[in-house]
Amino acid sequence: KAGVTQTPRYLIKTRGQQVTLSCSPISGHRSVSWYQQTPGQGLQFLFEYFSETQRNKGNFPGRFSGRQFSNSRSEMNVSTLELGDSALYLCASSWGQASSGEQYFGPGTRLTVT
Amino acid sequence: GENVEQHPSTLSVQEGDSAVIKCTYSDSASNYFPWYKQELGKRPQLIIDIRSNVGEKKDQRIAVTLNKTAKHFSLHITETQPEDSAVYFCAPAGNQFYFGTGTSLTVIP
Repeated sequence: KAGVTQTPRYLIKTRGQQVTLSCSPISGHRSVSWYQQTPGQGLQFLFEYFSETQRNKGNFPGRFSGRQFSNSRSEMNVSTLELGDSALYLCASSWGQASSGEQYFGPGTRLTVT
Repeated sequence: GENVEQHPSTLSVQEGDSAVIKCTYSDSASNYFPWYKQELGKRPQLIIDIRSNVGEKKDQRIAVTLNKTAKHFSLHITETQPEDSAVYFCAPAGNQFYFGTGTSLTVIP
């Protein structure tokens, strides 16, 4: 089985721009969760999608949004980028809802905002 | 919401010694207790997990113990090796899930 994939792997944007990141889960997995990872803050939960519905949301501003498609692929969008948005963005997939079992992580997208 | 704390935040041990990392949580609905390992530059990977109806689980040199009454669970690594050096995260889950702040383990050869 192919693992979780994320595109692009690296991205450089300037303040004020917007960005869209993509995550393709393991085949058959219905849940996709997104995390922001920074050296000082660890893994911060952004949101979880299950069967195209947002199930949980972390404590991030409305500039962060996401969606999930019928094939379980998910996208995350960040609008009006700020310098503090520079981070590694990880997605993870699981068969059921993310709180029910193992999550499989993708390699991440490294976003740099200048 | 859930309050998850991991201790210690950093840990250095000599190769061959044991390492213990503790995770405390507040949500009594939590019923799934995994530990993830993240090596430098790599993605987090599950190393062991336990459900609320079990008190302990072992997998070779790794074990997890759960005290649901006291709301904490711990990761135990015996006979540590340099390749155990990584950041370890707990992620207690019930209706929602939360990641701990991570413990950086260094195993000194």
